[in-house]
Amino acid sequence: ETGVTQSPTHLIKTRGQQVTLRCSSQSGHNTVSWYQQALGQGPQFIFQYYREEENGRGNFPPRFSGLQFPNYSSELNVNALELDDSALYLCASSLGPLSAGTDTQYFGPGTRLTVL
Amino acid sequence: RKEVEQDPGPFNVPEGATVAFNCTYSNSASQSFFWYRQDCRKEPKLLMSVYSSGNEDGRFTAQLNRASQYISLLIRDSKLSDSATYLCVVNDDYKLSFGAGTTVTVRA
Repeated sequence: ETGVTQSPTHLIKTRGQQVTLRCSSQSGHNTVSWYQQALGQGPQFIFQYYREEENGRGNFPPRFSGLQFPNYSSELNVNALELDDSALYLCASSLGPLSAGTDTQYFGPGTRLTVL
Repeated sequence: RKEVEQDPGPFNVPEGATVAFNCTYSNSASQSFFWYRQDCRKEPKLLMSVYSSGNEDGRFTAQLNRASQYISLLIRDSKLSDSATYLCVVNDDYKLSFGAGTTVTVRA
């Protein structure tokens, strides 16, 4: 196993609600990345946090936000949920940012979000 | 144009067969490349990195062609347990870019 955990495993919300997903990285991993994987698609990069600062962002609107904490845990927050937000949300931790040459990301099992 | 494009398959092969598939990537400045494996409703897991000189890991062989910007994966002597979706992944500086995946089903 990768040592990366996520909670909850499944979640059902209604359109317009807000959701917080949580991730616990491997100890010592300063970087966490979040991905959204819609059915039948590959994971799409949402953003990356390095030492509690956002370090890169994909093509997602501002209602997707995140936090990283000193204890290697992190959160993904999504406001004003839309039906298209239904997906598997994956976090991945690494020793450092990919831009610094750290290649290996360790994925958690994901949170499956359904928006009705 | 998508950053990483793959043939979605599915590739349906008998046990013991060889199966190969490619992906192409759009960013010529990409530095590192990977194949990930994803089982149904599970997280992606790193299968192997892909090096310019080509590399093998048991029954799996990966090749990289920087000039044509494509990556290939070959699976020899397919096992039932190889049935999965294979994701082509490119390290684009600060993020991993994933293809949509190639589905392989190995039948008895």
